[in-house]
Amino acid sequence: QKEVEQNSGPLSVPEGAIASLNCTYSDRGSQSFFWYRQYSGKSPELIMSIYSNGDKEDGRFTAQLNKASQYVSLLIRDSQPSDSATYLCAVRDDKIIFGKGTRLHILP
Amino acid sequence: DAGVIQSPRHEVTEMGQEVTLRCKPISGHNSLFWYRQTMMRGLELLIYFNNNVPIDDSGMPEDRFSAKMPNASFSTLKIQPSEPRDSAVYFCASSSGTREETQYFGPGTRLLVL
Repeated sequence: QKEVEQNSGPLSVPEGAIASLNCTYSDRGSQSFFWYRQYSGKSPELIMSIYSNGDKEDGRFTAQLNKASQYVSLLIRDSQPSDSATYLCAVRDDKIIFGKGTRLHILP
Repeated sequence: DAGVIQSPRHEVTEMGQEVTLRCKPISGHNSLFWYRQTMMRGLELLIYFNNNVPIDDSGMPEDRFSAKMPNASFSTLKIQPSEPRDSAVYFCASSSGTREETQYFGPGTRLLVL
């Protein structure tokens, strides 16, 4: 069974520091990788997508993909209290599978 | 654009009753997804449609669940009869079906079955 694994957290990071979120997946055929952010009581929203090995940067966010290690990560630089949320990793081959998410708490 | 619209936003019902959840995708999107989210199981894909046709319903938990998409602007997820273990948040999402596969989620329906 295809799986996407994330540490549930909570991950506590001081304001202004770098938050590092990690995700591993089981299906080597996966082609597309996504990070969604979900605030408490709200719906998930896409913040990053990545399709090839390496890094992809968008503002304070950097997604990193290593297909050989079946590993994808999300770095958040200069963490802000507004970044406190649950971050869902999603992986797609023939269909999309979500991890259970990592709760991130930015300490003011 | 109004985004994905779901109704009702909250539903409380008694075990055995029929529940119908509704979704209007973003105009122009040709893929529609129904998800269920619980603390224990996370976000689970129940079924998805492409051009109004069900493509994969392997996530539908049992025969009590059914979904339809009669046209490009409307879909329903029905639970009949409902059970307490169906209590969850049900999300509808739509996408343009491109490689980027950005899914836009609706606000969700919070279902409580007593």
